[in-house]
Amino acid sequence: NAGVTQTPKFQVLKTGQSMTLQCAQDMNHEYMSWYRQDPGMGLRLIHYSVGAGITDQGEVPNGYNVSRSTTEDFPLRLLSAAPSQTSVYFCASKADILSYEQYFGPGTRLTVT
Amino acid sequence: AQKITQTQPGMFVQEKEAVTLDCTYDTSDPSYGLFWYKQPSSGEMIFLIYQGSYDQQNATEGRYSLNFQKARKSANLVISASQLGDSAMYFCAMRVPGNQFYFGTGTSLTVIP
Repeated sequence: NAGVTQTPKFQVLKTGQSMTLQCAQDMNHEYMSWYRQDPGMGLRLIHYSVGAGITDQGEVPNGYNVSRSTTEDFPLRLLSAAPSQTSVYFCASKADILSYEQYFGPGTRLTVT
Repeated sequence: AQKITQTQPGMFVQEKEAVTLDCTYDTSDPSYGLFWYKQPSSGEMIFLIYQGSYDQQNATEGRYSLNFQKARKSANLVISASQLGDSAMYFCAMRVPGNQFYFGTGTSLTVIP
C-alpha cells in the first residue's frame, strides 16, 4: 500500500503558466480532497470529491479546477498560475463521507514567480 | 461562520511532562467533528485523534487525549509523558456538514530534554 501519493514534490512556475498537480491513492477511498497550506494560516480546503464523477468546492476554490474520473486519481489543475498560489499543496483521502480519519499525501511545494 | 482558533503559536514542555494545546471552535451546526493532526518538520500531516460532537466521553488514543468541553466550545489536546519525537506543529481542525473542513493556524510544540 503506497497510501496517498503526490507528484511532483517541488515545482516552480512562471505567472500565467498552467500545470496539474497529481494525486493518487490505492486504498479504494471514496473521498478525496485538496488543501493548500500557507505560512501562519493552517490548511484551507480547495476542492473535494465524494466519489468518482462528483466534485465540489471548498473554502478557496478560485483559480483551481478538479475532476474525478476514477476512484484512484484526483488531479488539481492551475489554469493560469499567480504568485498568490505559491503554497504547499496537500492531497488527502478517506474511506467515505462518514469516516473521520484522513490520510494525507507528502505535499507539493509550488512556487509561482 | 465556521472558525477554529489556536491561540498558542509556540509551546515548550519538558520531556516526560504533560502538555495541553488549546483549541476553540465556532459553528452553529449541531453535528460536527473535531480533529487533531501532527505535522513534523518533514511536512507530512498525521492524524492523531477525533471527537464527534455527540460523543459523550472524551476521546483518547494512547498518550493523546482530547479534552472536549462542548459548552465552552473547546477541544484541547493533552499529550501525556512528552517525548522528544513529539516536537512538531499541531493543528486542530473541524468538519461540519457538507464535508467542509476548517483548520486552525497551528501550535509549534518543542519538547526540551
